[in-house]
Amino acid sequence: QVQLVQSGAEVKKPGASVKVSCKASGYTFTSYDINWVRQATGQGLEWMGWMNPNSGNTGYAQKFQGRVTMTRNTSISTAYMELSSLRSEDTAVYYCAREGYDILTASKGGMDVWGQGTTVTVSS
Amino acid sequence: AIQMTQSPSSLSASVGDRVTITCRASQGIRNDLGWYQQKPGKAPKLLIYAASSLQSGVPSRFSGSGSGTDFTLTISSLQPEDFATYYCLQDYNYPRGFGQGTKVEIK
Repeated sequence: QVQLVQSGAEVKKPGASVKVSCKASGYTFTSYDINWVRQATGQGLEWMGWMNPNSGNTGYAQKFQGRVTMTRNTSISTAYMELSSLRSEDTAVYYCAREGYDILTASKGGMDVWGQGTTVTVSS
Repeated sequence: AIQMTQSPSSLSASVGDRVTITCRASQGIRNDLGWYQQKPGKAPKLLIYAASSLQSGVPSRFSGSGSGTDFTLTISSLQPEDFATYYCLQDYNYPRGFGQGTKVEIK
């Protein structure tokens, strides 16, 4: 079945970096953009950025510019999100999500497949 | 960036009630809007895309409407499994933007 499987929980010290992986299966990895979304405990969803796995093109939310890097390895159908200069406010669950497309109506299909989430804790 | 304003932030309702949640965009986004349901400890789940298209496998009691700047998610008859938090998301352009969320609680 179509799924995204993320890497496990991470605990990092302030100032460190974290790299979260998102492995796709059940579909052609290069055919759908991947978004990254995070959620701090008790808070709403926050969009971080997107990547086109075919071209490697990316776009980041202004808030994360200069600290986030999204990459991919097409040979293993895996997307990565690296966040550097971590601070306590980066403690959150990080999700990857596929951006779908409705072929029948030629319309955007929403974020139709989500990873299970990766908890990143930043603490000294 | 396009701002998404969702209301109400929370509501209390009973099983069987009709529930309506609204989302307003700070500028026109055609019909490029989705609705998501999230339960505690779980990833969000897509309910509606392109403002009114029901995602495969989602019960027909969920419906969406709207275009331009004003959008609505309706649950025609609230079921016990529908108590959750709901978010709208514009996918008209980048940066993407979520609404603040609406928590649907049991009355």
